[in-house]
Amino acid sequence: EVVMTQSPATLSVSPGERVTLSCRASQSVSSSLAWYQQKPGQAPRLLIHGASTRATGIPARFSGSGSGTEFTLTISSLQSEDFAIYYCQQYNNWPLTFGGGTKAEIK
Amino acid sequence: EVQLSQSGGGLVLPGGSLTLACAASGFTFRNTAMTWVRQAPGKGLEWVSTFTGSFSTTYSADSVKGRFTISRDNSKNTLYLQMNSLRADDAAVYYCAKSPSSDYPYYFDSWGQGTLVTVSS
Repeated sequence: EVVMTQSPATLSVSPGERVTLSCRASQSVSSSLAWYQQKPGQAPRLLIHGASTRATGIPARFSGSGSGTEFTLTISSLQSEDFAIYYCQQYNNWPLTFGGGTKAEIK
Repeated sequence: EVQLSQSGGGLVLPGGSLTLACAASGFTFRNTAMTWVRQAPGKGLEWVSTFTGSFSTTYSADSVKGRFTISRDNSKNTLYLQMNSLRADDAAVYYCAKSPSSDYPYYFDSWGQGTLVTVSS
């Protein structure tokens, strides 16, 4: 099983700050990596797939990078609506696995 | 517009059974891989089971193998999850989710609203 490790677990940030979230895979997943955003009481929303391709309707302030085992989600200027939990997911191998999440909270 | 409408959650006794349903619209259901993902209270996301679109292959997490069965009725555009021998650690919000195609890649571009399964005596 590919273990996905996200860091940090919690990120305290101010609106307007640049934010970088990390996701590490225990073995290479190539570029088969997706990022999701989840707000309280809501289903997750796809942000990024293929490690760096923004999903339809996702603002340009969200960007993804990386391949192999190291991945990054960057939010260039955090908006109030971006305070949420972010999950990475690999889909290169079965079982599909998610990271434990990074919570972006207001400083 | 893609819509995934879930039903079937509720309270069940340990060892009991429950079936979840996910009614799909707005895309060609029979050609799309569909998945169940769950989230225990206050926890992260856990993949449960996938039913592919082309060869009708299913994959399931070890934690549910032999107890949960994923199925689909393409004539009704509906995905199911039959859950047997439920345990306390199966309690979670269960989401159905669609992938962009019938097979790889297995990421999820639309999600249902979620349905709560509570396992308790």
